[in-house]
Formats: sequence, C-alpha cells, structure tokens
Amino acid sequence: KQEVTQIPAALSVPEGENLVLNCSFTDSAIYNLQWFRQDPGKGLTSLLLIQSSQREQTSGRLNASLDKSSGRSTLYIAASQPGDSATYLCAVRTGANNLFFGTGTRLTVIP
Amino acid sequence: EPEVTQTPSHQVTQMGQEVILRCVPISNHLYFYWYRQILGQKVEFLVSFYNNEISEKSEIFDDQFSVERPDGSNFTLKIRSTKLEDSAMYFCASSQAALGEAFFGQGTRLTVV
Repeated sequence: KQEVTQIPAALSVPEGENLVLNCSFTDSAIYNLQWFRQDPGKGLTSLLLIQSSQREQTSGRLNASLDKSSGRSTLYIAASQPGDSATYLCAVRTGANNLFFGTGTRLTVIP
Repeated sequence: EPEVTQTPSHQVTQMGQEVILRCVPISNHLYFYWYRQILGQKVEFLVSFYNNEISEKSEIFDDQFSVERPDGSNFTLKIRSTKLEDSAMYFCASSQAALGEAFFGQGTRLTVV
C-alpha cells in the first residue's frame, strides 16, 4: 500500500527566507503528485500538479520537483511571507481515482 | 473562479441518526470524490464517482455510506446510523479528467454526539 511521508512535521522561518518542504512515497508507480495548502479548519487549496513524466512545475513563488524513481518530491517556496503560513500537504495518485495524502508540514512564517 | 461548494459547513448529529452531506462540484467536471479527515490524521479517500456510478471505493466506504448525484449539479454523501468515530471533516472534490487536478471544497465538519 502506498505510504506518503512529509518531513518536517512543522517548520518556522523568518519572513523572506526561502524554504523547502519534503514529500516521500513508497510506491513509485504514480500517475501524478499534487501539492495542497490547508488553512486551519478549512479546505484544501490546490497549489501545483506535477505529472509523473515531469521533473518540475512552477507557479509564482512556488516550485515543485519530482523524482519518481526515488519516490521524492520537494516544494520550494521563495521569499516566504506571513500569508504563506498554513499546512502543506502532498498527495500522490496511484490509481485512476484515488489520492494518497501525507500528514503535512505545518509552516509558520514569522514577520 | 469556479469552486467546489459544500453544505453545511458544520453539522452536529446524534449517534444513530442519518446525515446527508451536500456538494456542488465545478460545473464542467466529470469525476467526483469524497474524502474525510479525522482530527489530527491524514486525509483519506472514501469514494470516487463517474458517469453516475461508483468507480472506486476504499475499505472505509462500507454499507453505512452511499453517494448519489440526484440532479445535474449536486453530489451527496449519505451516512446512515452515524457512530462517534464518523466525526471528521468531510471533503468533496472534483476533477475534469480521470487523472486530472483535483479541486476540493471547504469541507463539512461532522460532529456525532
């Protein structure tokens, strides 16, 4: 069964710093990987979708990379802002209609 | 910007009662999903729905649960005979394609007392 792990579980950084969030998965036979943001008590906001054939995907200050063979993805956030404070979840799609989620990294950006 | 809408945002129900959680997926999407997140735990897949039938379901999705698309816009999750352990945030999601980007609603927080 697919297991998705995110490290670290929590991260605090000063405003303006660049940071990297990590996601690893045990079964490399994935179709794609999606990064989400979750604010406390709220829904999931899709940030980036990266297909299994892609190595990188960018949206604004966010850059996601994927190394499918080693079962790893990273989310790079440039020039962090207090508004970036949230929990970041990665999820992999191994079946046609099923996302497996990690436990998330809770990010706090300190003004 | 199109979004997935869920109602109600919070529902409290007594153990043993039936609840219906409602969702309006993005209008041109064809694939619909329900996920749940028990407090402090991972988001878990429950069921996917395409072409008016269930396409995949997890072991969580037993006979207590059912889904329906009663009209062209709504997608519902019914939970019969609720138990305390059904308390969770329930998320509806939709995507345009089978392997496409999934868009999630804001969730319904279900509290069973």
